[in-house]
Amino acid sequence: AQSVTQPDIHITVSEGASLELRCNYSYGATPYLFWYVQSPGQGLQLLLKYFSGDTLVQGIKGFEAEFKRSQSSFNLRKPSVHWSDAAEYFCAVGLRSNDYKLSFGAGTTVTVRA
Amino acid sequence: KAGVTQTPRYLIKTRGQQVTLSCSPISGHRSVSWYQQTPGQGLQFLFEYFSETQRNKGNFPGRFSGRQFSNSRSEMNVSTLELGDSALYLCASSSTDRGIGQYFGPGTRLTVT
Repeated sequence: AQSVTQPDIHITVSEGASLELRCNYSYGATPYLFWYVQSPGQGLQLLLKYFSGDTLVQGIKGFEAEFKRSQSSFNLRKPSVHWSDAAEYFCAVGLRSNDYKLSFGAGTTVTVRA
Repeated sequence: KAGVTQTPRYLIKTRGQQVTLSCSPISGHRSVSWYQQTPGQGLQFLFEYFSETQRNKGNFPGRFSGRQFSNSRSEMNVSTLELGDSALYLCASSSTDRGIGQYFGPGTRLTVT
């Protein structure tokens, strides 16, 4: 069955420290891959996306993600976290034949401590 | 460019009633999708419309329906509301370019009492 897994429900990181959020997918073929961020009471904001080419993708707000086909992973990273990065992060996948129907992971809540 | 707008932002309804939510996509985007977000089930796909036609549908009962107008604006309707329908309903729009990603609105928070 197709699935998207975010193994970490909650991560706490110190301001200025690095952050890595994990995402694994189980699909028959390489799907389109996305990371979204949601602040409390808000909708989802697209951070970055991968559909082909360079496996290291740069996004907004200083985030990047690396696609690893052999591991079926698309992990999100940020070298230095700011307090404003506290939010919930969602990994999402869409089939290349139908990327208008996204499947989301359960989300990872990031807490930033001073 | 203005983003995706959703109205109303907050709604309180009573069990058994029906509700209509509205979504205006980003200008030029012809695909509109709807998602339900709850603490227990997370983000779940409801349906997607393109050029007034429903192209995709998630696993929700027939009480959930939608439509899209010629200007790409979309509405979703939930009839005979149940307590479990309390959720944040998110609308997303996308262009015809594959893989571009979907852009989400702020959502409508529906509370069923």
